[in-house]
Amino acid sequence: AQKITQTQPGMFVQEKEAVTLDCTYDTSDPSYGLFWYKQPSSGEMIFLIYQGSYDQQNATEGRYSLNFQKARKSANLVISASQLGDSAMYFCAMRGLNYGGATNKLIFGTGTLLAVQP
Amino acid sequence: DGGITQSPKYLFRKEGQNVTLSCEQNLNHDAMYWYRQDPGQGLRLIYYSQIVNDFQKGDIAEGYSVSREKKESFPLTVTSAQKNPTAFYLCASTLGENTEAFFGQGTRLTVV
Repeated sequence: AQKITQTQPGMFVQEKEAVTLDCTYDTSDPSYGLFWYKQPSSGEMIFLIYQGSYDQQNATEGRYSLNFQKARKSANLVISASQLGDSAMYFCAMRGLNYGGATNKLIFGTGTLLAVQP
Repeated sequence: DGGITQSPKYLFRKEGQNVTLSCEQNLNHDAMYWYRQDPGQGLRLIYYSQIVNDFQKGDIAEGYSVSREKKESFPLTVTSAQKNPTAFYLCASTLGENTEAFFGQGTRLTVV
């Protein structure tokens, strides 16, 4: 069975500092994709970054980077130089990759609420 | 512009009534998903569909039903069997297995 665990219900960070949001996962799929999403108070879901289990390098997208440690089954999101607009709920998600095979679920963790302080 | 449209944005339902939430996408995506989100909690998968006329139960399918008669549409019916239907419902779609999901703006359902 697949499972995503986010152990930090809430986090504070000072503006301009870096912050790491934790995500661990469990899956029996040999290949899988990991995603991070941001959900502001408006409720919309904003895609941030993607990491494939077969990717050799950690993914980066602007101020976002994914610290992928496959052996430890962790996919932590690092936000550098935090901004006030980063205050939101952050979700880690996973989907098994089974090209040409059976349908795979896209499942989410419980989220981390990040508050950026001026 | 391509995207996913959920309607209505707010929905009120009396106890014992069925209600259908609409989800339409013009992205030509194959896979579509329905999630439920309760206050301060994560997204829980209700149903998902990989292709037309095929769908699978997610983790909390009881009290819900779906159909996938067209690629663009994946409506969700919240039946009277759903004991606690008040929640925020999100629909999503993906082009491929290793691409991100695009989400609608959500429907907030309240039982009165």
